[in-house]
Amino acid sequence: RKEVEQDPGPFNVPEGATVAFNCTYSNSASQSFFWYRQDCRKEPKLLMSVYSSGNEDGRFTAQLNRASQYISLLIRDSKLSDSATYLCAARGYNKLIFGAGTRLAVHP
Amino acid sequence: DTGVSQDPRHKITKRGQNVTFRCDPISEHNRLYWYRQTLGQGPEFLTYFQNEAQLEKSRLLSDRFSAERPKGSFSTLEIQRTEQGDSAMYLCASSLGAGQETQYFGPGTRLLVL
Repeated sequence: RKEVEQDPGPFNVPEGATVAFNCTYSNSASQSFFWYRQDCRKEPKLLMSVYSSGNEDGRFTAQLNRASQYISLLIRDSKLSDSATYLCAARGYNKLIFGAGTRLAVHP
Repeated sequence: DTGVSQDPRHKITKRGQNVTFRCDPISEHNRLYWYRQTLGQGPEFLTYFQNEAQLEKSRLLSDRFSAERPKGSFSTLEIQRTEQGDSAMYLCASSLGAGQETQYFGPGTRLLVL
């Protein structure tokens, strides 16, 4: 079993839709969590850090459930420009452990 | 641009050749990380430095791979006797350290071994 697992993609949604990505992690010692966005053939760019209380940044909301070892990302009012791969990462000690990513395609 | 930079951005080499990649972290970032990413996968950790000290190496980092950060600033990753399986995107990231652990990635070096 991989240490960080994400929903398989791709997610194909119309503009304006709400879409949710889930991510589970197996190492209960993981200390912090992140969502990165990666466009095709580009580097991952930090989208959000994930805090225990949940956090929101505009149309994006991240939640952490330590008891279930589960992280989520909700995107509201999807835009064409949201099309990308979304990577979930857990920080264990000093390195990031990434999931394989979930691809999102937003269509008109 | 004050972000992480990597050079070269693309490298094509023949099997058996040696290659070296360079990473310049964000200024004042003490920690520097190397990751490798293959198609359809997330980045996989290779190694990391705290200043000039290499503190952790993944078992993915075979003895053909060596990384250095001699003055605690830029880092190099060398792959000796490249194999086709080394073809991947090599990503460098840096973080401030001291409790500020958000990692910022460079644009990567895309390696193709023929």
